Amino acid sequence: RKEVEQDPGPFNVPEGATVAFNCTYSNSASQSFFWYRQDCRKEPKLLMSVYSSGNEDGRFTAQLNRASQYISLLIRDSKLSDSATYLCVVLPGGYNKLIFGAGTRLAVHP
Amino acid sequence: GAGVSQTPSNKVTEKGKYVELRCDPISGHTALYWYRQSLGQGPEFLIYFQGTGAADDSGLPNDRFFAVRPEGSVSTLKIQRTERGDSAVYLCASSLTEGGYGYTFGSGTRLTVV
Repeated sequence: RKEVEQDPGPFNVPEGATVAFNCTYSNSASQSFFWYRQDCRKEPKLLMSVYSSGNEDGRFTAQLNRASQYISLLIRDSKLSDSATYLCVVLPGGYNKLIFGAGTRLAVHP
Repeated sequence: GAGVSQTPSNKVTEKGKYVELRCDPISGHTALYWYRQSLGQGPEFLIYFQGTGAADDSGLPNDRFFAVRPEGSVSTLKIQRTERGDSAVYLCASSLTEGGYGYTFGSGTRLTVV
């Protein structure tokens, strides 16, 4: 079983749609959680950190459920520019290496 | 420089050859990481440096892979006797502190072994 699992997609949605991505992780001792965005043939870039209380950044909302070992990302009012791969990322406790999921591809169309 | 610089951006090599990939981190960042990303996959951890020392090399796939950071700044990832399965994008990241925050990735080196 992979340490971080994501639905690979692709999610094809029209502009203005709301879309949600889910991710599960296997290491219950994981201590930090992130969503990264990666454009085609580019490096990953931090989208947002994920906190137990949930956090929001504009149209993006991230949630963490430690009991279920589940992380989510909600994108409201999708824009064409949101088209990218979204990587769920976990920092296992006691380590300094990020563990990446395989990513979920989002395609927003007009 | 302002960001993490990786050279070369692309490298094509023949099976069995030796390659070196270079990473120049953000000035002052003591933590440096190498990752490898295969097509359709997320980045996979290879090695982590804190200063000059390799603090965690558990992700290096075998003894053909080696990395150094002799002065605590620039790092070189070295691959001996390359195999076609080594073809991937090799990403370097640096951060000011440990703990997963403040990572900045370079644009990567796309290695193709033919």
